[in-house]
Amino acid sequence: DAEITQSPRHKITETGRQVTLACHQTWNHNNMFWYRQDLGHGLRLIHYSYGVQDTNKGEVSDGYSVSRSNTEDLPLTLESAASSQTSVYFCASSGTRLSGELFFGEGSRLTVL
Amino acid sequence: AQSVAQPEDQVNVAEGNPLTVKCTYSVSGNPYLFWYVQYPNRGLQFLLKYITGDNLVKGSYGFEAEFNKSQTSFHLKKPSALVSDSALYFCAVRGGQTGANNLFFGTGTRLTVIP
Repeated sequence: DAEITQSPRHKITETGRQVTLACHQTWNHNNMFWYRQDLGHGLRLIHYSYGVQDTNKGEVSDGYSVSRSNTEDLPLTLESAASSQTSVYFCASSGTRLSGELFFGEGSRLTVL
Repeated sequence: AQSVAQPEDQVNVAEGNPLTVKCTYSVSGNPYLFWYVQYPNRGLQFLLKYITGDNLVKGSYGFEAEFNKSQTSFHLKKPSALVSDSALYFCAVRGGQTGANNLFFGTGTRLTVIP
């Protein structure tokens, strides 16, 4: 069965370190998204991609970057982790139809000390 | 700009009673509306969506939602709640303009079904 996987599921890091969260999907979807989930804010969009070599900023993109070198993967990098980036991060993908729903990974819980 | 509002952080309902989780939206163009459910330590799971057509949409696990254009609402409903329905529910909207494939989510409503 097609799926979307995130790794690591849990990570603790220190302020200032670079962190990369991996996302891999086997749906062959063109669209991929990174969200963060925080209490009281729901899910907020960080970055998204509509295809290989395409990346776009979402509403909370500061301090994050993504790259899309193939269809399957959209890694999220925190260049210099800050305590404000402690959160649960979700990757999602969807097909090209506007009516298509998003498929979510299980999430990556990041703690920045 | 697209947005959704979930006015209730918490909804409690007795098992067997009907449940409603409220959502209102704001979007330019025709709205594409979605409901997702999140169980503890899991990702979001798709429940149902409204694209066009019948205002009453049926989805997974016996849930349904009613689209009301005049009230800009898309409330989630279920005729008889189960304890296993206890979870976090998110409403989301996608704008109708070309290329806008990302979803905007509400802040979530925690549903607790009391045995």
